Amino acid sequence: AAGVIQSPRHLIKEKRETATLKCYPIPRHDTVYWYQQGPGQDPQFLISFYEKMQSDKGSIPDRFSAQQFSDYHSELNMSSLELGDSALYFCASSLGAGTGREKLFFGSGTQLSVL
Amino acid sequence: AQSVTQPDIHITVSEGASLELRCNYSYGATPYLFWYVQSPGQGLQLLLKYFSGDTLVQGIKGFEAEFKRSQSSFNLRKPSVHWSDAAEYFCAVGMTGGGNKLTFGTGTQLKVEL
Repeated sequence: AAGVIQSPRHLIKEKRETATLKCYPIPRHDTVYWYQQGPGQDPQFLISFYEKMQSDKGSIPDRFSAQQFSDYHSELNMSSLELGDSALYFCASSLGAGTGREKLFFGSGTQLSVL
Repeated sequence: AQSVTQPDIHITVSEGASLELRCNYSYGATPYLFWYVQSPGQGLQLLLKYFSGDTLVQGIKGFEAEFKRSQSSFNLRKPSVHWSDAAEYFCAVGMTGGGNKLTFGTGTQLKVEL
């Protein structure tokens, strides 16, 4: 069965550069979530989208932006990268988000290293 | 705001021994509760979840968890641990009413000795 696809798997950037992370949800899933997991840390919710509209926002820095496209894939854009942005970025998808009981399917993540 | 506490950062058990991972939550209402497992380099996999009803929930891979409202706990258990269970385990709380935004605990790293 198709899972959540994230690309790239690994990304190395230098300080002040920009990065774009991509997430392809499970087919027919209309909701996408982004999480950031720092080294040895718990995943922190960044932002979510439902039907191409932002549905919830967490601790996402102003330097980051995200969007969901008509095919439901999502991109997380990160500018002016800082060393502290080095983390594993997870994307998850679900079919709907109306009840809070929808099962989330997580991708394997993009490991971002900022040097 | 909701929060999750996993008191044990690291736990080591022998293969075949029983396991209990602790999780305490803080939330104003009856929460949605989850346990996820993360293997190195892998995404988070849902083990089990609690929404309502029977407070003892069964999950995959032989895991179960019990919701205890009086203790604000949702501890994960397994009667007999296998070496392949070595991983990091995260407890998470979700908000009732929609959104699926999860708040995770800091995780418990499980090591299994052969």
